[in-house]
Amino acid sequence: NAGVMQNPRHLVRRRGQEARLRCSPMKGHSHVYWYRQLPEEGLKFMVYLQKENIIDESGMPKERFSAEFPKEGPSILRIQQVVRGDSAAYFCASSPLGDLRYEQYFGPGTRLTVT
Amino acid sequence: TQLLEQSPQFLSIQEGENLTVYCNSSSVFSSLQWYRQEPGEGPVLLVTVVTGGEVKKLKRLTFQFGDARKDSSLHITAAQPGDTGLYLCAGAEAAGNKLTFGGGTRVLVKP
Repeated sequence: NAGVMQNPRHLVRRRGQEARLRCSPMKGHSHVYWYRQLPEEGLKFMVYLQKENIIDESGMPKERFSAEFPKEGPSILRIQQVVRGDSAAYFCASSPLGDLRYEQYFGPGTRLTVT
Repeated sequence: TQLLEQSPQFLSIQEGENLTVYCNSSSVFSSLQWYRQEPGEGPVLLVTVVTGGEVKKLKRLTFQFGDARKDSSLHITAAQPGDTGLYLCAGAEAAGNKLTFGGGTRVLVKP
């Protein structure tokens, strides 16, 4: 049973470009969470999605950031017009249900570097 | 906004010594998870505690959830170099679906 898959593992973008980060949840999991980790810090919640629905986006920056989890295919975190402050590790986690008594399993992350 | 504070931020000990990491909040959490993260990898779940006062043991690791479900501790007995890593606590809100993470404790066990 494959774990949470994220790609790419490393992404380099120049300021102003777009970054697309992909997350495939564990088999049977329909709940996806995105977190951001700045260097030497803990993880910060960004957004929680179910298939075709955004449930909680309270941690998402108001501009330039968007997320989706289509009926088919991976979840996508999209950052438009990246700036240097967007450089961070972005982690995706999945769980079988949205109840937090069910643990979240994390992917290996995508490390975004904005030059 | 709920906050979790971890202490210490960094801990360096010799192999065979014991260590304790603390995770504190003024808020109540419905459950609390402890993760360990290696450089360049995602967090790996170690344990989930749900009930106030709960104690769980995982080999040389002992996890405790405070009676009021506001704090937790991780104790490692006879630490080994393989225990080196970043330890993160994360609390789940009673009515929410997101995890609030502490800032992490970086543990270095020297041989």
